[in-house]
Amino acid sequence: DTAVSQTPKYLVTQMGNDKSIKCEQNLGHDTMYWYKQDSKKFLKIMFSYNNKELIINETVPNRFSPKSPDKAHLNLHINSLELGDSAVYFCASSLRLAGVDEQFFGPGTRLTVL
Amino acid sequence: AQSVTQPDIHITVSEGASLELRCNYSYGATPYLFWYVQSPGQGLQLLLKYFSGDTLVQGIKGFEAEFKRSQSSFNLRKPSVHWSDAAEYFCAAGKAAGNKLTFGGGTRVLVKP
Repeated sequence: DTAVSQTPKYLVTQMGNDKSIKCEQNLGHDTMYWYKQDSKKFLKIMFSYNNKELIINETVPNRFSPKSPDKAHLNLHINSLELGDSAVYFCASSLRLAGVDEQFFGPGTRLTVL
Repeated sequence: AQSVTQPDIHITVSEGASLELRCNYSYGATPYLFWYVQSPGQGLQLLLKYFSGDTLVQGIKGFEAEFKRSQSSFNLRKPSVHWSDAAEYFCAAGKAAGNKLTFGGGTRVLVKP
């Protein structure tokens, strides 16, 4: 059973397009996250949601809009894609919004903007 | 500002040899500390974590890490590496509240036969 899943695994698109990445967790966790990993492997948190409520928004451009329809899903919609958006995006979840709780990561979505 | 530093970008080690990966943190107080491993094309998997107590922490896959407050370090070690340990390793730090992790830049480990 896949604990945290993301679709699609690869996404290639043109500049200016709008795209979405979906994330689902079947762990019964309350908290979900989006991370961006750039070409140098640097990982940075973008958003976190707890019980569908936005908790962290790390000064991400408002072209990025997360949506959490329920606790098990956190989707990421990106408008007007730019070259600099090319990266690997990881979804993660944790039981609670507490530092002691391990974050479980999905396999990542590699986004390439041409 | 909070930061996590992994000084070594790449490390090459022979199979069977020991491995040590360095991690230094800069936080207002002692943070929660984690080591994650990322195999090629995969997500991150937690190896071990430190919150308090015994400063030597045991993890999965034969890894251990030692917290040293005086050096603001949390170095990862393995006595004898296997070819399957070739991966990217990330140190991360977080606070008690909010569960926001700050990651180091990662260390890529290559294992020679």
